[in-house]
Amino acid sequence: GQQVMQIPQYQHVQEGEDFTTYCNSSTTLSNIQWYKQRPGGHPVFLIQLVKSGEVKKQKRLTFQFGEAKKNSSLHITATQTTDVGTYFCAGYSGAGSYQLTFGKGTKLSVIP
Amino acid sequence: SAVISQKPSRDICQRGTSLTIQCQVDSQVTMMFWYRQQPGQSLTLIATANQGSEATYESGFVIDKFPISRPNLTFSTLTVSNLSPEDSSIYLCSVYSGMNTEAFFGQGTRLTVV
Repeated sequence: GQQVMQIPQYQHVQEGEDFTTYCNSSTTLSNIQWYKQRPGGHPVFLIQLVKSGEVKKQKRLTFQFGEAKKNSSLHITATQTTDVGTYFCAGYSGAGSYQLTFGKGTKLSVIP
Repeated sequence: SAVISQKPSRDICQRGTSLTIQCQVDSQVTMMFWYRQQPGQSLTLIATANQGSEATYESGFVIDKFPISRPNLTFSTLTVSNLSPEDSSIYLCSVYSGMNTEAFFGQGTRLTVV
C-alpha cells in the first residue's frame, strides 16, 4: 500500500530560525495536503497542492510539491512560538481516491 | 467547511469495558472516517463509516473490536470494546467535503484504560 514518509520526526529551533519538514510518498500522489496539530488539539488543514512543481505561500509558510508529485516540503521562515505543533503531510494516492494517508509528522518546538 | 462535534472529549475506563464515541456533523456528508492516534504518533485510519451499509475496516482493525454505526448522513459512533491498556489513545472522527478535498476533524477523544 501507499506509504508516506516524513522527516525529521522532531525539530527544535531557536525562535527566529527557519524550519523545514520533508515528505516523500512511495507512489505518485494526486495531491498533497498539510495539516498542523497544536499540542492537545486536532489536525487542522493548512493547504493543498495539486500541480506538479507547485509552490504556495501563506505568510511565513512556503509549501512545495515536487515535479514527480511524490514529494513535498513545508518551510517556515523566522519561526515564532505560535508555530509550535506537529506538522503532517497527507496524500491521496489517485484521482477519485477517498483515503488520505498521513505521514508520521514533524514535531516542532520553538525555544523563545 | 464542516463543523464536527465529538464527545466525550476524554474518558478513563476500566479494562474489559467499552466506550462509545459520538460524532455529529453540521452538514450531510457521504463519508465519515475514524482514526486512532497513539501518543506522539501519526493518524491511523480505523475504518470508513458508510451510511446504509457496514463500515469498511482497514487492515488490523475488526468489527468486533471497533463496531461502528452510521444511522444517517450527519452522525456516527465508534465503540471501542473489551478495553485493554493498549487501547489508550486519541480517537478522531473526520469528514471530507468531497473527493480529494481537505479533511475536517472532530476535537478528538482521549481514552485512558486502567
